Amino acid sequence: NAGVTQTPKFQVLKTGQSMTLQCAQDMNHEYMSWYRQDPGMGLRLIHYSVGAGITDQGEVPNGYNVSRSTTEDFPLRLLSAAPSQTSVYFCASSYSVGQGSANEKLFFGSGTQLSVL
Amino acid sequence: AQRVTQPEKLLSVFKGAPVELKCNYSYSGSPELFWYVQYSRQRLQLLLRHISRESIKGFTADLNKGETSFHLKKPFAQEEDSAMYYCALSDYSSASKIIFGSGTRLSIRP
Repeated sequence: NAGVTQTPKFQVLKTGQSMTLQCAQDMNHEYMSWYRQDPGMGLRLIHYSVGAGITDQGEVPNGYNVSRSTTEDFPLRLLSAAPSQTSVYFCASSYSVGQGSANEKLFFGSGTQLSVL
Repeated sequence: AQRVTQPEKLLSVFKGAPVELKCNYSYSGSPELFWYVQYSRQRLQLLLRHISRESIKGFTADLNKGETSFHLKKPFAQEEDSAMYYCALSDYSSASKIIFGSGTRLSIRP
């Protein structure tokens, strides 16, 4: 059982370049999300999705786009990379969120370390 | 706005000493709160959630609505507890999302 798979693990970009961070889960989770992890700032929510075809903005969405065409995949696109986007990015999924049930548990990918020069 | 605050960036205690990692929140409804942990070279994972009222690896956390706190406690720290700990809140007042605090790095000294 692969769980949540993120690719690539490392990436270096030049300012202005675009790229897509891939995220896939094989647990049939409806909820998927992207976070960035920065020292002293913890995990900040970028975008999230409660199901295929539905996405919404989190705390820090500027400079990022997402789409959810299938239940399994939730790619994060950087439109024009900036040094401020240097960070570690985590994808996470859950069977449900906001239900107060045992199913409300985030499963995380292993992260993508992105450097923008 | 919904917010999770972890006031300590770093907490260092000796092995066998009690541990308390602080978490305060602001939320307009009934909160669902969690503690997540990231051990070195491992993925972030759920440690415990308040709704389950469970003890995991000797850790407990009690929701105090009056003080809007959800502190994580362990009576006797072990070296393997060294990790990054994040407090999180499930915000479903307007939409379903989970927000995190800034994290506390716990270091257990031998």
